[in-house]
Order: sequence, then C-alpha cells, then structure tokens
Amino acid sequence: SQKIEQNSEALNIQEGKTATLTCNYTNYSPAYLQWYRQDPGRGPVFLLLIRENEKEKRKERLKVTFDTTLKQSLFHITASQPADSATYLCALPYGTASKLTFGTGTRLQVTL
Amino acid sequence: DGGITQSPKYLFRKEGQNVTLSCEQNLNHDAMYWYRQDPGQGLRLIYYSQIVNDFQKGDIAEGYSVSREKKESFPLTVTSAQKNPTAFYLCASSITGWAMNVYNEQFFGPGTRLTVL
Repeated sequence: SQKIEQNSEALNIQEGKTATLTCNYTNYSPAYLQWYRQDPGRGPVFLLLIRENEKEKRKERLKVTFDTTLKQSLFHITASQPADSATYLCALPYGTASKLTFGTGTRLQVTL
Repeated sequence: DGGITQSPKYLFRKEGQNVTLSCEQNLNHDAMYWYRQDPGQGLRLIYYSQIVNDFQKGDIAEGYSVSREKKESFPLTVTSAQKNPTAFYLCASSITGWAMNVYNEQFFGPGTRLTVL
C-alpha cells in the first residue's frame, strides 16, 4: 500500500539557519507533491506544489526539491524565523479523484 | 471575504448521540472533503464529494455520514456507530474533484474539535 514518511521527531533550529524537512514515499508514482503548513489547533495552509518533471521550486524563502528516483522531497526554509515554527505536512495525490494522502508532519521549532 | 468555515469550533457529545458538523465554502469549489486528525497521525479522509449531489467514502467512513445538497455546503454527521469519535475534524475544498491534468491544492477550514463525554 502507499505510504508517506516524515520525520516524527521535532526539528529544532536556530533563527537564521536553514531548516530542511524530508518527505519519503513508497509504492507511489505521483504526478506532483504538495507541502502544507499547520499551526496548532488550525487547519493546514497550502504552501507549494511541485510536479514530477520539476526538480526544484522556490517561493520566497521556501525551496522544495522532488527526486522521483529516490522517492523523496526535501523542503527548505532559508533564514528561518521564529514565526516559521509550525508543523509541515507533505501530501501526494492518489486515485482518480483529486484526493490527497498526507504524511504525519514534522514539527519545526525555530528559536532565537 | 472568500473562504471555508466550520462550526462549531468545539463540540461535546454524549455517548450514543449523533452530532452534525457544519462546513460551508464560498470559493465556488466543486470538490469538498472531510478529514479526521488524531495526535501523532496524519489527516485521514472520511468522505469526499467531487460534485454536488454526489459523494464517496474515504478511508475511514464507518460511523459517519454526509450530504451534498448544495455546492457550498458539506455537513458531516458523526453517528453513535463511530466508536472513537474524539478528534479534530477538518473540512477542505478544491476547485475541481477530478485529478487528470489538474493539480489542485486544498483549502482547509479552521476545524472542529469534537470530544465525547
């Protein structure tokens, strides 16, 4: 069956450093992959989408890579700020409808 | 102000009761979804609707029911048959319910936290 793995341990980094989060998947050949941000007690918010034929996508301080050979996506936040502290979820499509399956998320904590 | 709303924010249910969670969107989206989120687990799909007057079971539909009589509304009923309903429920929508050559992001509501007393 399809499976998405994100590091369940929280990632703690210092302000100004680059945070790198990993999303690995198995038994998938997704046409695209999405990243969302979720703050405690709130719904996820869409951040970026990367297609299978794109190696890298950037949006302001965010960068996403997508390696379909390794079946892995990396999500980078450069010059991280305490306001970036949140849980980050990756999501992949499955089935013929526009359904998504979500990873469990990685919590990022940025400290001063 | 476009968006997706859920109500109530907090809901308490006694065992054996059915409760209905509201989800409304004014984004003119065709597709709507209900997810359940438990601590340490990812979002799990309960039901989804690709178009008005149609809906499909997701991965964990047992003990839940939905309706889609209007494009903007997708209420979820948690029935007494749901053995462990305490969770955070999220409603989402996307422009289209069809995945072919369309890469939809999903827009989420603020969630409803349901607690069984």
